[in-house]
Amino acid sequence: DAGVIQSPRHEVTEMGQEVTLRCKPISGHNSLFWYRQTMMRGLELLIYFNNNVPIDDSGMPEDRFSAKMPNASFSTLKIQPSEPRDSAVYFCASSPRGAGNTEAFFGQGTRLTVV
Amino acid sequence: GENVEQHPSTLSVQEGDSAVIKCTYSDSASNYFPWYKQELGKRPQLIIDIRSNVGEKKDQRIAVTLNKTAKHFSLHITETQPEDSAVYFCAASLGGYQKVTFGTGTKLQVIP
Repeated sequence: DAGVIQSPRHEVTEMGQEVTLRCKPISGHNSLFWYRQTMMRGLELLIYFNNNVPIDDSGMPEDRFSAKMPNASFSTLKIQPSEPRDSAVYFCASSPRGAGNTEAFFGQGTRLTVV
Repeated sequence: GENVEQHPSTLSVQEGDSAVIKCTYSDSASNYFPWYKQELGKRPQLIIDIRSNVGEKKDQRIAVTLNKTAKHFSLHITETQPEDSAVYFCAASLGGYQKVTFGTGTKLQVIP
């Protein structure tokens, strides 16, 4: 298995534009997580899904952020409209039985820059 | 919700010395405590984890200790090497399908 795959690896966009980040979890994993990493705030959990269902989205900063998981092999995180303060590295991670009792496997991350 | 505090934020040690990173958590029901290592520009990766029914766990040069009464846990790296230089994150979870809350990270620098 190639691991968790995220795309794009880098994204530069102008303020106000819509940004869509994509994630393909490891096959067979039923938990998927979106994290945001910044120097100031570290690793923040934005949202996580179990069996494609959003379980906790309390970390989503505001209504500009939305996430979907239409099937077990694909998820998206969308920011509309984007703002400079959204600049960060966004990680997707998956876990076979929930990250609360076993390893979460992270993707390579998407470095987002909003100018 | 769970709050995880991690100290120090930066740590420099000479090669061969030991390094200790400490974390505290707020929810006494937390029962799973993973540690992740993130090298510069790379993804976080699990290096060791411990569950609440165990007080200590070792894996070669890495060990983790857990004090449930005091609600703190620590990472110990012995005989540090330059390749240990990275950011280390502690985390805590209520287990199962509950979310994992990360500490703010410790940047470890091992000086050759």
